[in-house]
Parts: sequence; C-alpha cells; structure tokens
Amino acid sequence: NAGVTQTPKFRVLKTGQSMTLLCAQDMNHEYMYWYRQDPGMGLRLIHYSVGEGTTAKGEVPDGYNVSRLKKQNFLLGLESAAPSQTSVYFCASSYPPVGGTDTQYFGPGTRLTVL
Amino acid sequence: QKEVEQDPGPLSVPEGAIVSLNCTYSNSAFQYFMWYRQYSRKGPELLMYTYSSGNKEDGRFTAQVDKSSKYISLFIRDSQPSDSATYLCAMSDSQGGSQGNLIFGKGTKLSVKP
Repeated sequence: NAGVTQTPKFRVLKTGQSMTLLCAQDMNHEYMYWYRQDPGMGLRLIHYSVGEGTTAKGEVPDGYNVSRLKKQNFLLGLESAAPSQTSVYFCASSYPPVGGTDTQYFGPGTRLTVL
Repeated sequence: QKEVEQDPGPLSVPEGAIVSLNCTYSNSAFQYFMWYRQYSRKGPELLMYTYSSGNKEDGRFTAQVDKSSKYISLFIRDSQPSDSATYLCAMSDSQGGSQGNLIFGKGTKLSVKP
C-alpha cells in the first residue's frame, strides 16, 4: 500500500495563477482532509470530506476550493494564488470507527511558493 | 484562549535523557488524545493514541492523560538522535469522527544530541 500520496511535491506559482493539488489514498478511507502548515501556526484545516461527493469547510477555507468526485481522491484548488498561500500543504485520510475518533494518516506534503 | 496549547520549544537534550512533552487544553469534551511525530520535511505520523484518562506505554514512549487537569504528556525514555523531530499533540471529542477534524497543538521541536 502506498498510503496517502500527494502530487506535486513542489510548486512555484506567480500571483494570480491557478493550480490543483491532488491527494490519493489506497486505504479505502471515508474521510479526507486538507491542511496547511505554517511556521508558528501549526496545522490548520482548510477543507475536509466525510465521503465521496461531500465537502465541508475547515478553519481556513477562503481562497481554496475542493472536490471529492472519487472516494480515493481529494483535490485542492487555488483559483487565484496569493503570496499568503505560500505554505506546506498536507493531505490526510481516516476511517473513524463508530463511536471512535478519526486517527488520521498524512501524506508527504506539497511545498507551494507563491511569488 | 486557544483550545490546545503546546510549547514550541525548541527542546535540546543529550542522548539517553528522559524527555517530557506536554499539552494543555480547554475543552473538557475531549476524550481522544494523540501524539504525532513529524520529521523534517515529512508528513506527521501517528505515534501514540489514548482514549480518556490514564497511561499508555509503547516501548520507550509513554503517553499520559490527566483529564482533571486538562493536561497530556508524552515521555520518551533513553532518547536517541533518531527521536529528533517535531511532536504534535492532537485531540478530539466523541464526535470527532463525524465532525471530521482533530485539534492540533502547534508542535514541540525536539533535538537529541549524540
């Protein structure tokens, strides 16, 4: 099993450009998440999905859109990139048991720089 | 007040030392407590998972939860240079699964010197 994979690993964008980050998991997990990690800010949830075809906003959703057309994939889109979106982006997935909590498994991250 | 507080460090210790990492929290509904380890330029990986109060031991690692004090700890015995990483605490309430998120601390950066 590859676990959680992210594409691309690195990207440099100019302000105003758009891009899509792809997350894929092969663990048949129901839940998937997108986080950003910035120095001194920790992990902050952008959007998440509790199943195919569903998405929900997290703590910092502005400037991002997501789609979950297939259970194994979760896409994060930046329509018009801004320098404030320079960050490391992590995808995670989980399969919470009934009455339990979501132990999340993370991908390796995408380092995005917006100039 | 943030829901989860964690001292960012950095914390530097000599090899073989006992390391204590801590988080405090304000939400008394939290019942599930986790510690993630994140090596430089890598994604976080789950290290320890504890439900409610008490201790859990796994090799050199011990996780403690004191719900009365809203305080959790991770102890590392006989620390090794390979333990050098950032350690993040995370927690959720009983609805964490359906709500779809964990609350993370900001992480403590640990360096174990040979």
